Amino acid sequence: SQQGEEDPQALSIQEGENATMNCSYKTSINNLQWYRQNSGRGLVHLILIRSNEREKHSGRLRVTLDTSKKSSSLLITASRAADTASYFCATASAGGYQKVTFGTGTKLQVIP
Amino acid sequence: DAGVIQSPRHEVTEMGQEVTLRCKPISGHNSLFWYRQTMMRGLELLIYFNNNVPIDDSGMPEDRFSAKMPNASFSTLKIQPSEPRDSAVYFCASSLGPAGVGEQFFGPGTRLTVL
Repeated sequence: SQQGEEDPQALSIQEGENATMNCSYKTSINNLQWYRQNSGRGLVHLILIRSNEREKHSGRLRVTLDTSKKSSSLLITASRAADTASYFCATASAGGYQKVTFGTGTKLQVIP
Repeated sequence: DAGVIQSPRHEVTEMGQEVTLRCKPISGHNSLFWYRQTMMRGLELLIYFNNNVPIDDSGMPEDRFSAKMPNASFSTLKIQPSEPRDSAVYFCASSLGPAGVGEQFFGPGTRLTVL
């Protein structure tokens, strides 16, 4: 079963706009990661945020984590056509075996 | 480093045939994962190895699926006999440490079509 559910399922924006994707999960986690998948390719890791962190930045990416609401958001600022891809959150469960479970993904289209 | 290497990239086979997918993880990585991705079910973890030992195989669909990791640089996922519902993209990923501790590096995937 999927731990993470992403919202929206699909998003279409104009180049230069910001894109926000949300991820909700059900159980306690050690960390949450975001990955990008270009069409026909494997997933690429973007950023990891630990359960004791609330916000993290990497270039044009900003990730927030609210463990009380069991949710995370990924913000891509000043989007580019090259950002067109599917974005997945992945949760690492709390405990000895930190099982990683991927969400359902958000398909982002950035129109030039 | 060449990254995670998977072969073949595409496989078309007929129902009932044996299929073997291969993976070479990044050198020095201790964990290896096999995933299956379909439109209906998304990305599912099939099996996770740590130091060549299977740690979690709860995602392996049924006895038709088996996975091995004979050494740190090679793993196989075998389906015997294959069925049309096995059609999917199969990804191998590796990571430096145990599952969940850090990022996973994904291979390009094997697109399997079972007719």
